[in-house]
Amino acid sequence: DTGVSQDPRHKITKRGQNVTFRCDPISEHNRLYWYRQTLGQGPEFLTYFQNEAQLEKSRLLSDRFSAERPKGSFSTLEIQRTEQGDSAMYLCASSLYDGYTFGSGTRLTVV
Amino acid sequence: TQLLEQSPQFLSIQEGENLTVYCNSSSVFSSLQWYRQEPGEGPVLLVTVVTGGEVKKLKRLTFQFGDARKDSSLHITAAQPGDTGLYLCAGDGSSNTGKLIFGQGTTLQVKP
Repeated sequence: DTGVSQDPRHKITKRGQNVTFRCDPISEHNRLYWYRQTLGQGPEFLTYFQNEAQLEKSRLLSDRFSAERPKGSFSTLEIQRTEQGDSAMYLCASSLYDGYTFGSGTRLTVV
Repeated sequence: TQLLEQSPQFLSIQEGENLTVYCNSSSVFSSLQWYRQEPGEGPVLLVTVVTGGEVKKLKRLTFQFGDARKDSSLHITAAQPGDTGLYLCAGDGSSNTGKLIFGQGTTLQVKP
C-alpha cells in the first residue's frame, strides 16, 4: 500500500459543469476526511467518514457538494454546478487512530 | 469556534540561520500536530504533541506544546534550503471525529 491516492491530480472545468473526485485511502484505515485548501491558507474541514457512514459535514459543504464512501473503501466527492469560488485544492486524508496520511490532492480550476 | 493563528505568515532567511514559528489559540486542544507541505502536494505529518509542556525533537526541528495546551512552537536550527515549504499546525477539533483545525500556515524560504 503506497498511501492515499487521489484522482485526478488536476481538473479544469467550465463554470456550471459537474466534477467528481476520487480518493483511495490506506486500506486498513477506517476514517476518511475531505478538506479544501485555497492558496495561502491552511486546509478547511469538509466532511468525515467512519467506514461507510458520513458522520460529520461542515457548513462549508453546500448542497452542491456530495460525498460518498460506498463499502467503506474509496470515497468520491462531487461538486455540481461548479462556481469560480470552488477553485481550490481538495485534499483527502485517512487515519486509523491518530496521525493523518494525506493524499497529494486534486487541484480544481473553474473557468 | 476554535481557531489557530500562526506567526509569522512568511519567513525568508539565509541558510544556517535559526527560526521559530508560533501557533496560538485561545482554546485548549487535547493534541496538536505539525505538518510540512510542498507546492502541489498534500501535508506530511512531522509530529504530534499531546502532553502540556511536551518537547519533541526531530533532527534539527524542536516542537513544544504549551503548558496549557493552547499554543505550540516549532524551532528549526541551522536551516537548510531543503527546509523550504509551508509549515502548518493543526489541533484536534472539538468533536470525537478526529477532524483537524488548521492554522493558516507559515511559508518558509531558506536561501542558499
